[in-house]
Amino acid sequence: EVQLVESGGDLVKPGGSLRLSCAASGFTFSNVWMSWVRQAPGKGLEWVGRIKSKNDGGTTDYAAPVKGRFTISRDDSKNTLYLQMNSLTTEDTAVYYCTTDNYRRLDYWGQGTLVTVSS
Amino acid sequence: DIQMTQSPSSLSASVGDRVTITCRASQTISSYLNWYQQKPGKAPNLLIYAASSLQSGVPSRFSGSGSGTDFTLTISSLQPEDFATYYCQQSYITPHSFGQGTKLEIK
Repeated sequence: EVQLVESGGDLVKPGGSLRLSCAASGFTFSNVWMSWVRQAPGKGLEWVGRIKSKNDGGTTDYAAPVKGRFTISRDDSKNTLYLQMNSLTTEDTAVYYCTTDNYRRLDYWGQGTLVTVSS
Repeated sequence: DIQMTQSPSSLSASVGDRVTITCRASQTISSYLNWYQQKPGKAPNLLIYAASSLQSGVPSRFSGSGSGTDFTLTISSLQPEDFATYYCQQSYITPHSFGQGTKLEIK
């Protein structure tokens, strides 16, 4: 059974940093592209970014609002996906979901972790 | 960036109704269009991928169609568990943008 479990969400002050983790199980993590999607309270879904598998180059892509501030990485030895978030603003307050990105579709999702940016 | 526009933003319908939701892309995206269902407090769930392919385990009352810039999600006969918010997403080019969502409510 595929499982994705996010952690690391917290209350952080504007300008601060936070690292989210997503522990994966039930599939061969190293072969799968992974994405992060977020959802601000009461709002719609927003694609954050993606990391390809190392076999496919391991490259990353980001949405404009987070480019240069957020970094997606992966540790295939630990079956874990990361989202390093720096220079956080109140606009980054959201539930953050990690997802598998199989052939351009987000087919498995974690339960999400809440990041609140507030002074 | 590609903009995705869904219509309507909200919809009231009854159990047994046939419902159609539309998604329009600001430029051609071939058939790289996915549909997701989200219930309150839960993660989204993939329903349709590549515009018209039904994700494993999804009931056959859900169907998708379209290509290029115009797409539709159809629910042939609404069931009580289908009342939720639906999102389209293009995966043609990054950023893989979502539509703003369509909230389907009970009439």
